[in-house]
Amino acid sequence: EVQLGQSGAEVKKPGESLKISCEGSGYSFNYYSIGWVRQMPGKGLEWMGIIYPDDSDTRYSPSFQGQVTISADKSISTAYLQWSSLKASDTAIYYCARLIAAQDYYFDLWGQGTLVTVSS
Amino acid sequence: ELVLTQSPGTLSLSPGERATLSCRASQSVSSAFLAWYQQKPGRAPTLLVYGTSSRATGIPDRFSGSGSGTDFTLTISRLEPEDFAVYFCQQFGTSPWTFGQGTKVEIK
Repeated sequence: EVQLGQSGAEVKKPGESLKISCEGSGYSFNYYSIGWVRQMPGKGLEWMGIIYPDDSDTRYSPSFQGQVTISADKSISTAYLQWSSLKASDTAIYYCARLIAAQDYYFDLWGQGTLVTVSS
Repeated sequence: ELVLTQSPGTLSLSPGERATLSCRASQSVSSAFLAWYQQKPGRAPTLLVYGTSSRATGIPDRFSGSGSGTDFTLTISRLEPEDFAVYFCQQFGTSPWTFGQGTKVEIK
């Protein structure tokens, strides 16, 4: 079965670091970009950035550039989203999604989401 | 940044009725780069339509997408109980890729 499996919910304090993961299975992980999308409580979807696992080429939305780091380890079919110093405003659900970039572009496969709660 | 504005914010309809959801872009978007997603409470979004009008695998034909340039529409011809959810449009034509703020389709 083709799927993206994300790591479990996290509860952190402001200033702490965090790395969440997204593991692809059932397809050639290296050759499909993985995007990250934030959904703050009760709000809409925001695209954060994207990585091409085969060469780790990464692009960020300006809103998230410098705030997070996206990486991937193609040997274990896993993409990551990390923070060096969390803020309360980072509290959200974070989704990874597989990008189809052919004639059309779209996210065809989504992870189940990782809830990150940042609270003192 | 290219802004997508969805309307209405909330659509109150009964099962069997037709739903028409609008997504308006602040600048032109190529048809190839406009997608629609459905999100149910507590669940991840799922792809409905890509390339403006192509249904994703397994999506029933009561869902249809149309439009061009700055105006795009998702139509649900006859609402089924499982269609009550939030719908988002997304554009990939201009970085940063952006989503509309969503339209909630609720039971009247």
